[in-house]
Amino acid sequence: GQNIDQPTEMTATEGAIVQINCTYQTSGFNGLFWYQQHAGEAPTFLSYNVLDGLEEKGRFSSFLSRSKGYSYLLLKELQMKDSASYLCAVADSNYQLIWGAGTKLIIKP
Amino acid sequence: NAGVTQTPKFRVLKTGQSMTLLCAQDMNHEYMYWYRQDPGMGLRLIHYSVGEGTTAKGEVPDGYNVSRLKKQNFLLGLESAAPSQTSVYFCASTPGRRDIDTQYFGPGTRLTVL
Repeated sequence: GQNIDQPTEMTATEGAIVQINCTYQTSGFNGLFWYQQHAGEAPTFLSYNVLDGLEEKGRFSSFLSRSKGYSYLLLKELQMKDSASYLCAVADSNYQLIWGAGTKLIIKP
Repeated sequence: NAGVTQTPKFRVLKTGQSMTLLCAQDMNHEYMYWYRQDPGMGLRLIHYSVGEGTTAKGEVPDGYNVSRLKKQNFLLGLESAAPSQTSVYFCASTPGRRDIDTQYFGPGTRLTVL
């Protein structure tokens, strides 16, 4: 079966750095995505990795290791507005997205 | 551009009632999707459409029907609602099958079935 695992909840302090991990087992691989979802809102796209390595976008970075079935999202200089759920999703061989349950990130002052 | 819109935003149904959720997009996207999101679970694909007049089943299609009579609209129907269908429903669209990195979501419909 297809499976994506990520921690249910994490807590971090404003101004700090946090790493959210995602491991996956899917039928085929056509990329890994990270989405941000604020409470009561729709998911919004953060990053896309299809090759191994680190992709950096401002305060956010995403890493992929296809051989290990592993990715992480790194958030630097945390701000209160980063409090949200972070969803990991993998595109399978048919380009359909398989979604993790999401990691709720709580930022404390 | 409004992007992807969904109506209604909230709805409460009694068991056995029927309803239709409407998704509309003004981006001329070919692909449209219906997901449901439940606490502790990832988004699950209900049905999707690869173009006007075509639909296909996703991961959890039972109890739902869909139609795509016009390219810009994708309707999700519940013929006889059950409490297990209490969820948040999201519609999304993409230009094509490989354009999954540009998946645009609607604001969601919060459905409660009593």
